[in-house]
Amino acid sequence: AQTVTQSQPEMSVQEAETVTLSCTYDTSESDYYLFWYKQPPSRQMILVIRQEAYKQQNATENRFSVNFQKAAKSFSLKISDSQLGDAAMYFCAYRSDSNNNDMRFGAGTRLTVKP
Amino acid sequence: GAVVSQHPSWVICKSGTSVKIECRSLDFQATTMFWYRQFPKQSLMLMATSNEGSKATYEQGVEKDKFLINHASLTLSTLTVTSAHPEDSSFYICSARDYPYTNQPQHFGDGTRLSIL
Repeated sequence: AQTVTQSQPEMSVQEAETVTLSCTYDTSESDYYLFWYKQPPSRQMILVIRQEAYKQQNATENRFSVNFQKAAKSFSLKISDSQLGDAAMYFCAYRSDSNNNDMRFGAGTRLTVKP
Repeated sequence: GAVVSQHPSWVICKSGTSVKIECRSLDFQATTMFWYRQFPKQSLMLMATSNEGSKATYEQGVEKDKFLINHASLTLSTLTVTSAHPEDSSFYICSARDYPYTNQPQHFGDGTRLSIL
């Protein structure tokens, strides 16, 4: 079974600075999707960014970008120009392409943004 | 964009009662919906996959007689926690994917906080 590992339970960043959240995963599949979700205190799950495994180019969404290293099975999230509103739990998620019902989440990283 | 509505957002009830949680896709069809459970400060754990018109698929360790799932239409799935007990208290989240675009991300409801006294 696929597993997703987030090795940083908590991270902290100064406002306007850059922070990188780590995520690794284990799979024997070649086609899959990777996601970063944000969960603020309201507990709503908000999609931050997604990456298709077949794409070599790293996904970017405004201040959010990923460093996708397929061979290393690594999928880190970089947040640039951090804002107070970025404070939340961040979950890395993997979804198989061969089995579309299978989406797995990492344990999460709690990000604190200091003013 | 796609919206998933989950209701109720918060339930407090006595031990032994049954609680139904609804998950609706508001502007898209979802042949498949997913039910997750999240304990405080933990990640989302997939409980079951709800398939329209057929039986749900439960993850290992999830009691199907305890957590009844019904997916009668392309826009509605329900999770019923039967004879709820304090250990069932948790945060339950549903999600859905826009059919037939299986390469699209899942859209999540806002969750239901269930507290059993």
